Amino acid sequence: NAGVTQTPKFQVLKTGQSMTLQCAQDMNHEYMSWYRQDPGMGLRLIHYSVGAGITDQGEVPNGYNVSRSTTEDFPLRLLSAAPSQTSVYFCASSYGGGVGTNYEQYFGPGTRLTVT
Amino acid sequence: KNEVEQSPQNLTAQEGEFITINCSYSVGISALHWLQQHPGGGIVSLFMLSSGKKKHGRLIATINIQEKHSSLHITASHPRDSAVYICAVSGDMNYGGSQGNLIFGKGTKLSVKP
Repeated sequence: NAGVTQTPKFQVLKTGQSMTLQCAQDMNHEYMSWYRQDPGMGLRLIHYSVGAGITDQGEVPNGYNVSRSTTEDFPLRLLSAAPSQTSVYFCASSYGGGVGTNYEQYFGPGTRLTVT
Repeated sequence: KNEVEQSPQNLTAQEGEFITINCSYSVGISALHWLQQHPGGGIVSLFMLSSGKKKHGRLIATINIQEKHSSLHITASHPRDSAVYICAVSGDMNYGGSQGNLIFGKGTKLSVKP
């Protein structure tokens, strides 16, 4: 199993550009989530999904969109990049079965995004 | 006030020392996670617990639900234990938490010197 994969590993965008961060898992996990990690702050939840076709907002959803058309994939779209979105982004998944965060979390390797 | 507080923020130890990292939380929870973030940035799950104590190798995690407190212990520390250790809680709606989302502490940066 590859676990949780994320692409790209690094990305530089100009203000106003859009892009999609890819996340995929091959463990048949129901629960998937996107976090951002900024210096001096804990990981913060952007969006999450409890299964294909179901998504919801987390703590910091503004400027980001998600969709979950399959169990495996959970892409994160930046609509119009801003310097405030410079961060490291992590995708995570878990078994789910009700409350996804009551199960071991598996994290992707992260995407380091810089917006100039 | 942060809902998940970790202490200390930074910790330097000599190889072989016994290490304790603390996590206190203010919300009702259904589970607590300890994570390790390597210097290269990757995050791995160490423990997920909702009561009592768990042990894996030289790592021990305990939780006291009544006191809303958890500790992560590392026995016989080694330079390869150098990492950021992160506590996260899964809120329990029955006790006023926000069920389904993880709330993270800011992490404890551990450096173990040879």
